[in-house]
Amino acid sequence: DGGITQSPKYLFRKEGQNVTLSCEQNLNHDAMYWYRQDPGQGLRLIYYSQIVNDFQKGDIAEGYSVSREKKESFPLTVTSAQKNPTAFYLCASSIDGVFLSNQPQHFGDGTRLSIL
Amino acid sequence: DAKTTQPPSMDCAEGRAANLPCNHSTISGNEYVYWYRQIHSQGPQYIIHGLKNNETNEMASLIITEDRKSSTLILPHATLRDTAVYYCIVRGNYGGSQGNLIFGKGTKLSVKP
Repeated sequence: DGGITQSPKYLFRKEGQNVTLSCEQNLNHDAMYWYRQDPGQGLRLIYYSQIVNDFQKGDIAEGYSVSREKKESFPLTVTSAQKNPTAFYLCASSIDGVFLSNQPQHFGDGTRLSIL
Repeated sequence: DAKTTQPPSMDCAEGRAANLPCNHSTISGNEYVYWYRQIHSQGPQYIIHGLKNNETNEMASLIITEDRKSSTLILPHATLRDTAVYYCIVRGNYGGSQGNLIFGKGTKLSVKP
């Protein structure tokens, strides 16, 4: 089935450690996104990518990094510089044009990151 | 900040229609109304979106008022699996991060047997 796969579902990080969250889509979508959700809160945009080898910072990019070497993959690295990384991380994709299209974003089931 | 206002919670009897309201009085002419829902510990699920005409798909119907200042999501025959938080989002075709999805607090819909 077509969709967005995030892994792992749960992830634990030690202080000072970088961790990478995986996001893969087989929908042939051009645009991909990373959001962060804190308990009882809405989603906040971390990074987005319109096309392969291109990505842009969202509203809360500090302490995070991404790459987009393949159309289907958009991994997110949470670095040690991110002081409050405990959150629910959501990856999404849309057909085209990032925010220049009315096409909806479709989400994966998320990765829950916790600090040990 | 979210551009929409939704009631914090609603109840619905199983098998009945669930009508979820949303106010978006400051909506601009090129902004669409999107509805998503989120079941606990899962990612948001896209339901439907529209600009000014009413829309229907296999999941729901979206009714947008003529002045576009409010809308209603209709789940025609609610089931227990429809229990979730429902988000109404207004978004335009802006370039860059200004066009991202801004999720507010949503409406927690509880479908009861």
